Amino acid sequence: GNSVTQMEGPVTLSEEAFLTINCTYTATGYPSLFWYVQYPGEGLQLLLKATKADDKGSNKGFEATYRKETTSFHLEKGSVQVSDSAVYFCALGYGNKLVFGAGTILRVKS
Amino acid sequence: DGGITQSPKYLFRKEGQNVTLSCEQNLNHDAMYWYRQDPGQGLRLIYYSQIVNDFQKGDIAEGYSVSREKKESFPLTVTSAQKNPTAFYLCASSYRGTVPTYSNQPQHFGDGTRLSIL
Repeated sequence: GNSVTQMEGPVTLSEEAFLTINCTYTATGYPSLFWYVQYPGEGLQLLLKATKADDKGSNKGFEATYRKETTSFHLEKGSVQVSDSAVYFCALGYGNKLVFGAGTILRVKS
Repeated sequence: DGGITQSPKYLFRKEGQNVTLSCEQNLNHDAMYWYRQDPGQGLRLIYYSQIVNDFQKGDIAEGYSVSREKKESFPLTVTSAQKNPTAFYLCASSYRGTVPTYSNQPQHFGDGTRLSIL
């Protein structure tokens, strides 16, 4: 079946550090891939997406590349800020539904 | 501004009581979804609807019911049959996307309703 596996958190970084949150997936067919971010007490916001292999999604300094050969969609940012502290979800879209990973908590210290 | 409105933000249920969570969108989206979020877990799909007057069960539909009488509205009822209803409930909507898989359309989320048992 379709599933998403994210690295466990929490991930704690100092401001301006490099961020990587790993995401791998299992899927039949050709899914779309998404990263969502959730701030405390709020819903999810779309951060970026990629719809086919080798596509790179980017937004607000975050990037992720759809790697079909490694079934991965790792999230990266070159220099994190305290305001990036949130929960990050990797998701796989197939048919008319999304399948989410368990989420990774990111804490950025000043 | 267009968006998704969920109400109330906090809801309390007594044992044996049904409660209904509201979800309204003005994005003109065809599809709407309900998810449940528990601490340390990802989102799990309860029900979804692609068009008015039609909906399908998700992965954890037992103890829940929905209706889709209008394009803008997709209320969720948590029935007394749901034995562990305490959770954060999120509503989402999206365009149906292009054939054949509809998978490239992102979902837009409301701010959620937190349901607790008294």
